[in-house]
Amino acid sequence: DAGVTQSPTHLIKTRGQQVTLRCSPKSGHDTVSWYQQALGQGPQFIFQYYEEEERQRGNFPDRFSGHQFPNYSSELNVNALLLGDSALYLCASNNRDRGGGYTFGSGTRLTVV
Amino acid sequence: SQKIEQNSEALNIQEGKTATLTCNYTNYSPAYLQWYRQDPGRGPVFLLLIRENEKEKRKERLKVTFDTTLKQSLFHITASQPADSATYLCALDENYGQNFVFGPGTRLSVLP
Repeated sequence: DAGVTQSPTHLIKTRGQQVTLRCSPKSGHDTVSWYQQALGQGPQFIFQYYEEEERQRGNFPDRFSGHQFPNYSSELNVNALLLGDSALYLCASNNRDRGGGYTFGSGTRLTVV
Repeated sequence: SQKIEQNSEALNIQEGKTATLTCNYTNYSPAYLQWYRQDPGRGPVFLLLIRENEKEKRKERLKVTFDTTLKQSLFHITASQPADSATYLCALDENYGQNFVFGPGTRLSVLP
C-alpha cells in the first residue's frame, strides 16, 4: 500500500515563474493538507482540501493556490515565485472522519534562483 | 499572538537514558496534540496523538503527557538509542482536529 506520493522530488525555478506541485494521498484518505518547511524550521500550514474545496488556510498570500481532484489527489500552485519561496513543500493526508495522525510524503524541494 | 515553542533547538543525551522533550503553546485551545519524528530530507512520521481529556499516552518506549492547564506536552523516549536521533515535532489542532499547526522541532542526538 503506497503512502503519500509527491512529484517532482526536486525543482529549480527562476524568480517570477510559476510552479505546480502534485500529491497523491494514501489509499483511504480523503483530506490533503499542504505545508511549507524552510530549512531548520517546523512545517508551516498552507491550506487543506476536502471534497475538492479549500477548507482551511494558513497565513499565505493568494499567490499560493491549490486544487483537489475527484480521486482526492491535489496540486499546489505558486505564482510569481520569490526567492523566499525556496523550501521543502510537504503534502499530508488523512481521513476526515477517522481523524488521527497525518501521513506525509517525502516532499518536493523547490529552489528559486 | 499564537505561539508553539519546543524546549530547545537541540538536545544531546547518552544512550540508554530517557530523553524528555517539551512543547509549550500560547493562545491555542487544542483538542488534540500530536508528536512526529522527522529525519533529514524526509517528511514527518506520525508517532502519537493525545486528546485533551487524556493525561498520558504510551507506545512502546514512547510516552506523551498533555496538561491543558499548563498548556504543555512532554514527550519521553525511554532507553534511548542512537537510532532515535532525529528532529521531533509537536503539532496541535486549530479546528477540532481539522488542521494541525507545528512547532519548530527539537533535534535530538543520542550519543553511543
